[in-house]
Amino acid sequence: SAVISQKPSRDICQRGTSLTIQCQVDSQVTMMFWYRQQPGQSLTLIATANQGSEATYESGFVIDKFPISRPNLTFSTLTVSNMSPEDSSIYLCSVRPGTATDTQYFGPGTRLTVL
Amino acid sequence: SQKIEQNSEALNIQEGKTATLTCNYTNYSPAYLQWYRQDPGRGPVFLLLIRENEKEKRKERLKVTFDTTLKQSLFHITASQPADSATYLCALDYSGGYQKVTFGTGTKLQVIP
Repeated sequence: SAVISQKPSRDICQRGTSLTIQCQVDSQVTMMFWYRQQPGQSLTLIATANQGSEATYESGFVIDKFPISRPNLTFSTLTVSNMSPEDSSIYLCSVRPGTATDTQYFGPGTRLTVL
Repeated sequence: SQKIEQNSEALNIQEGKTATLTCNYTNYSPAYLQWYRQDPGRGPVFLLLIRENEKEKRKERLKVTFDTTLKQSLFHITASQPADSATYLCALDYSGGYQKVTFGTGTKLQVIP
């Protein structure tokens, strides 16, 4: 199993500013992902955080808006840059410790409100 | 593109009854399908995984079926309890081995005492 913590748990930010969200896992994992869950919606994959290399972004998400770092196998950050009210969402870190058919674990999420 | 459809309307059932949630998908069948539970303000929690060559899987009061002909999975909770009230998400890996899971919109279940 994997226990994931995220910081901050919630924040209220002003338009045009940036927020960095941290994700810490209690064990080394290969696969780490960042998701967004907008109000009343399901989870949308933003990117796969790759250790030691640039993140792999999904369609509709770009590095300039959502830069991601993954300095080691237990930690990652997601920055939401130049925020607008449309970025208000829950951001979730997720890991898959094992093989392709293994369980995927999620952090508690960061609830972001942009004014 | 791939689509995953879950009943967006909330499902209300009486305590003790069996809750049945549906997940339909389009295009090709994935190698496996997962079900998650999500409580308000929390991240999803993994419940069950079923592979395409498995027709049914059980875990305690939970049962999942996977019909690749109908392109449908059913998720059953028997002897439902108020504590089972939550949103249930189905998820599929359409990434062809890149381990990226796509989630459905979820169905909110309310078990009434």
